[in-house]
Amino acid sequence: TQLLEQSPQFLSIQEGENLTVYCNSSSVFSSLQWYRQEPGEGPVLLVTVVTGGEVKKLKRLTFQFGDARKDSSLHITAAQPGDTGLYLCAGVTYGGGSQGNLIFGKGTKLSVKP
Amino acid sequence: NAGVTQTPKFQVLKTGQSMTLQCAQDMNHEYMSWYRQDPGMGLRLIHYSVGAGITDQGEVPNGYNVSRSTTEDFPLRLLSAAPSQTSVYFCASSLYSGFYGYTFGSGTRLTVV
Repeated sequence: TQLLEQSPQFLSIQEGENLTVYCNSSSVFSSLQWYRQEPGEGPVLLVTVVTGGEVKKLKRLTFQFGDARKDSSLHITAAQPGDTGLYLCAGVTYGGGSQGNLIFGKGTKLSVKP
Repeated sequence: NAGVTQTPKFQVLKTGQSMTLQCAQDMNHEYMSWYRQDPGMGLRLIHYSVGAGITDQGEVPNGYNVSRSTTEDFPLRLLSAAPSQTSVYFCASSLYSGFYGYTFGSGTRLTVV
């Protein structure tokens, strides 16, 4: 069974602080995706990383895919209250009949206080 | 706006009742999936489809049926609702096997009493 361990589960910080969310697995994924979900809504795709060692930036958010394609991190610089939400990592399964399906971490609930 | 449309938004069922959760997408995506989201469990795959006429089971398929007669629609049927099926259900679609990301609907919150 493929699992994605996401940490921390909860994070409460002040506006302007930096933070990092981690996503780890013993399995190799063909790609890894990060989603953000707000209450009452579905997850919204932030970024997809596909190459080992890849780094992508989206404004104040930096995403990294591990060299072995088993782990990823999301770093937010100078967090703002608008960053509040549930952040989910999801790995795309590699090969076999279920290729293309997502394995989700349990999420990191981020609260940024003004 | 183009995207994934789920109906209804909220539903309360009695144990033993059946119902269909509707999902439609207008992006011509081949891949469609159903997930359920429960506190502490994250999102888990129920059923998925790689194209019209093709469906398969995910991680938690028991108690649910799906069909895919068209590219656009992927309904999820609860055969005989149980309290354990109380959850938030999300439909998602993807153009290329999920590799580059999925578009999710806004969800159906289902309560079984």
